[in-house]
Amino acid sequence: DIVMTQSPFSLAVSEGEMVTINCKSSQSLLSSGNQKNYLAWYQQKPGQSPKLLIYYASTRQSGVPDRFIGSGSGTDFTLTISDVQAEDLADYYCLQHYSYPLTFGSGTKLEIK
Amino acid sequence: EVQLVESGGGLVQPGRSLKLSCLASGFTFSNYGMNWIRQAPGKGLEWVASISSSSSYIYYADTVKGRFTISRDNAKNTLYLQMTSLRSEDTALYYCARRGGLDFWGPGTMVTVSS
Repeated sequence: DIVMTQSPFSLAVSEGEMVTINCKSSQSLLSSGNQKNYLAWYQQKPGQSPKLLIYYASTRQSGVPDRFIGSGSGTDFTLTISDVQAEDLADYYCLQHYSYPLTFGSGTKLEIK
Repeated sequence: EVQLVESGGGLVQPGRSLKLSCLASGFTFSNYGMNWIRQAPGKGLEWVASISSSSSYIYYADTVKGRFTISRDNAKNTLYLQMTSLRSEDTALYYCARRGGLDFWGPGTMVTVSS
């Protein structure tokens, strides 16, 4: 099974600041066939279901603000949120869908000071 | 608009069974793989099972293998999860989500296993 190690567990920032969330996989998520990384990022606001933010490691889902940026390849991935807004208060998860079983990171709780 | 709506959750005693449903609309259901994911109260996300568009490929998490069965009825645009031999650790909010990249999720249905 591919293990997803996500950090930090939580962080608190003021509006306007930038945050970085990391996810490391125990195996490469890069497909040799299409050169795509099977890594996605999700945002889960309190009381809501998860929402897809980023797929293929760096492609923003339609409607997602451009302050959400996904980067990385292989085994190391990052979600960067620039100019954090109060509405970004949420838990964030990474997911690998390169192979079964699908595995999530343990989550990062973003709090706004 | 893509919509997924889960139903069938509730309070059930340990060892009993429950069947969840997920009704899909707003897209051609028969073209997409589907998934069940769960979230225990206050915990993270756990993938449970996946099924391909034609039901040819099915995968389960080790924690539910042999107890849960995923299935679908493309004529009814509905995904199912038959859960048997339920345990307290199966208590969670169960979500259905579309395709391998989990691009759309339903609001979830709560399953509580308790005597």
